[in-house]
Order: sequence, then C-alpha cells, then structure tokens
Amino acid sequence: SAVISQKPSRDICQRGTSLTIQCQVDSQVTMMFWYRQQPGQSLTLIATANQGSEATYESGFVIDKFPISRPNLTFSTLTVSNLSPEDSSIYLCSVVRYTEAFFGQGTRLTVV
Amino acid sequence: QKEVEQDPGPLSVPEGAIVSLNCTYSNSAFQYFMWYRQYSRKGPELLMYTYSSGNKEDGRFTAQVDKSSKYISLFIRDSQPSDSATYLCAMSAGESAGTASKLTFGTGTRLQVTL
Repeated sequence: SAVISQKPSRDICQRGTSLTIQCQVDSQVTMMFWYRQQPGQSLTLIATANQGSEATYESGFVIDKFPISRPNLTFSTLTVSNLSPEDSSIYLCSVVRYTEAFFGQGTRLTVV
Repeated sequence: QKEVEQDPGPLSVPEGAIVSLNCTYSNSAFQYFMWYRQYSRKGPELLMYTYSSGNKEDGRFTAQVDKSSKYISLFIRDSQPSDSATYLCAMSAGESAGTASKLTFGTGTRLQVTL
C-alpha cells in the first residue's frame, strides 16, 4: 500500500487568490497524479507530475492555472491560481503502485 | 457521450440486500477495470480490480466485466450499513498491469444501506 498525506484538507479562499495543495508520499514514486472531483462529476485527471521534468497536463488544463512542482520523488504541490467560484471542488493527489492507484484524502476548496 | 457512464444514484437499500452497481463504457481499448469505494471526506480506495472479461469474487463483493457489451458490474451481497459510500468505477487501457495509471472514472454511485 501507499500512505499519502495531503494538506490542507479544506480551505475557503477569496476569488482572485491562489491555493497551494501539498502531497507527501511515504516512499519514492516516479509519477504523481492530480485529480479534480467536482460535485456530481467524475474524477478528472488534471496532470501527471514527474520528478525532474515539467508536468504533463490533460486537455482543458493549463500550467498557468494549475502550476505543479515535483522537487523530489516523495513530494508534489498543485497550485490553483486566480481562483474563481468555478474552481470550488475537491482536489486529490494519487500514486500508482503496481496495479493499484492510491489517493490522498483530498482537499475541499471553496471559493467565495 | 462520456467515455464512462455510471448512474449517480442515490441508491438506498435495506441491510442484507444484494446491491448491483453498473457502468457502461465506449472505449474498446479499456482492459483494466476497477471499483473504488469513497467514504465521505476521504479519498477513493480500491475495492476490486479485474483484467479483461470475467468475474472476480472477494468476500461479499463480485466484479463482472463483459467487454463484448462494454458493461461492468459490482455486486455486494448481504449489504451492511458500513457499505454506505460512493462507488466509482474506473478503467484504463494501460500497456501493462504496471501502467494502469491513467484512469477514466465514472461519476460514482452513492449507496445508502439502511438498518
């Protein structure tokens, strides 16, 4: 299994500001994944973060809005910038061990 | 059309009932099929994993995959209040078992098991 510590667990932010979410894994992993889970929607992959290279973003997600850092093999951050109410969602980080994806507890973001 | 369709529910059943949860999909390249359970304010956790078509049983849970119909199911026998959660199906094309990393999820079905 994998233990993933994600924080903050929730936050309320003003529009126009940014929120940085941290994800710490208990052992080294090559790839870390960031998902968004909107109410009534599927988990949607935002980007894949590899250590030592730029993140790979999925269609509809751009680096300026969702900058990602991956300074080492156990840690990553996702920043949601220039917040608007449409960014209110749950954000989750994930790693894959063999065939199983493990998730952090999620960060519930509310933009007011 | 979404790649993966899942009835969002909510689904309410009495304790002891058999629960059937289903997903349909359109991408014939999917060959790894998973069911995740997500409790409120928690991240999803893997419940069942199946490769290609067939059945897999684990205790009270049975996963079925019918690739010809592009249809997967999760059955829960003797349902318990502790089974109350959101169940998400997920799929991957994956080049091998170790790269089942890019997952496509259903919207999740919220299940409530009542006493």
